[in-house]
Amino acid sequence: GAVVSQHPSRVICKSGTSVKIECRSLDFQATTMFWYRQFPKQSLMLMATSNEGSKATYEQGVEKDKFLINHASLTLSTLTVTSAHPEDSSFYICSVRAGKLFFGSGTQLSVL
Amino acid sequence: GENVEQHPSTLSVQEGDSAVIKCTYSDSASNYFPWYKQELGKGPQLIIDIRSNVGEKKDQRIAVTLNKTAKHFSLHITETQPEDSAVYFCAADYGQNFVFGPGTRLSVLP
Repeated sequence: GAVVSQHPSRVICKSGTSVKIECRSLDFQATTMFWYRQFPKQSLMLMATSNEGSKATYEQGVEKDKFLINHASLTLSTLTVTSAHPEDSSFYICSVRAGKLFFGSGTQLSVL
Repeated sequence: GENVEQHPSTLSVQEGDSAVIKCTYSDSASNYFPWYKQELGKGPQLIIDIRSNVGEKKDQRIAVTLNKTAKHFSLHITETQPEDSAVYFCAADYGQNFVFGPGTRLSVLP
């Protein structure tokens, strides 16, 4: 399966700051990557679909100006949480569809 | 709309016993059903999957069955071990995206 690397694994930031999360597809050229958010003891919720070389597609209710996605190459997609607030604290996970869906290791974001 | 239900939400079994988790999906157009295992603080890991042209698939202690008519599929884990303790998610592929079940927290008691 595809190997998906995600960094950082954990980040703590102050309210109002921005945080960038990187997702790399190490062995598969991914024209599309997916970003999920997971709250404690809940399921995976798709936030947006990242498209290489074009704009991301956001799910209903997800603020595109708050969650900036950049997919500049076939191996890298980034998610930037801008002006983070405590309610943005969550587990963010990226994934790549290489036939099947493979996930990164996730990023735990804690906003103080 | 697209929906996946999953039961039970929590499951405790004694080591060595079997565990069964069941899922139902709403849209008959789905034809691919993966299962993921998620350990605390980690991303989901694909453990087994099944396509709609197959009724059952087995990989060592793990098996998945699919009843396309009834629109439900199940995960079976035999001879459970403490390292099987995790949250398990089923999913249905609807082409553009996957829809995940709410998850089952499995605890294997030594």
